[in-house]
Amino acid sequence: KAGVTQTPRYLIKTRGQQVTLSCSPISGHRSVSWYQQTPGQGLQFLFEYFSETQRNKGNFPGRFSGRQFSNSRSEMNVSTLELGDSALYLCASSLGRVETQYFGPGTRLLVL
Amino acid sequence: AQSVTQPDIHITVSEGASLELRCNYSYGATPYLFWYVQSPGQGLQLLLKYFSGDTLVQGIKGFEAEFKRSQSSFNLRKPSVHWSDAAEYFCAVGAENTGNQFYFGTGTSLTVIP
Repeated sequence: KAGVTQTPRYLIKTRGQQVTLSCSPISGHRSVSWYQQTPGQGLQFLFEYFSETQRNKGNFPGRFSGRQFSNSRSEMNVSTLELGDSALYLCASSLGRVETQYFGPGTRLLVL
Repeated sequence: AQSVTQPDIHITVSEGASLELRCNYSYGATPYLFWYVQSPGQGLQLLLKYFSGDTLVQGIKGFEAEFKRSQSSFNLRKPSVHWSDAAEYFCAVGAENTGNQFYFGTGTSLTVIP
């Protein structure tokens, strides 16, 4: 089976812009979670989608949003980018609730 | 509040030596525990997991971990380290009441000396 894929792998944006990241889960997986990884804060949970519904949300501002499509693919959007949003954004997929999460390679976002 | 502590920020070992990476968690519910490894510029790869049952779990690449409820620990071990094991290691915890919202430790960076 193909693993979790994320596009794009690298992205450079400027402050105030918005960005959309994409994640395709492992075939058959219905849960997609997003994490932000930074040197200072480590890995922090953003949100989880299951069957097109947001099931859980971390402590991030409303500028961070996401959605999931009927084929389980997920997108994450960040509006009004700030310098502090520079990070590696990781997507993870799993079969269901409290299952093993399999991570994609990440999208590295740089905000200038 | 849930938390995961990896006390060692960085560890250096010689190739062929044994390895133990520490992980302590604070969790109100029955925890599900994981160890992941991350190579530079890459995503996280699952090494092993504990959900229930035997408290000594075997993983990939010769790694094992032992769940000790009394000590709230889930330490990762390998009897003989290979140079390719150099990477960042993360301990993570989840629980039934938080679904797939995993809490991660800050990671331990492993350097292997030839």
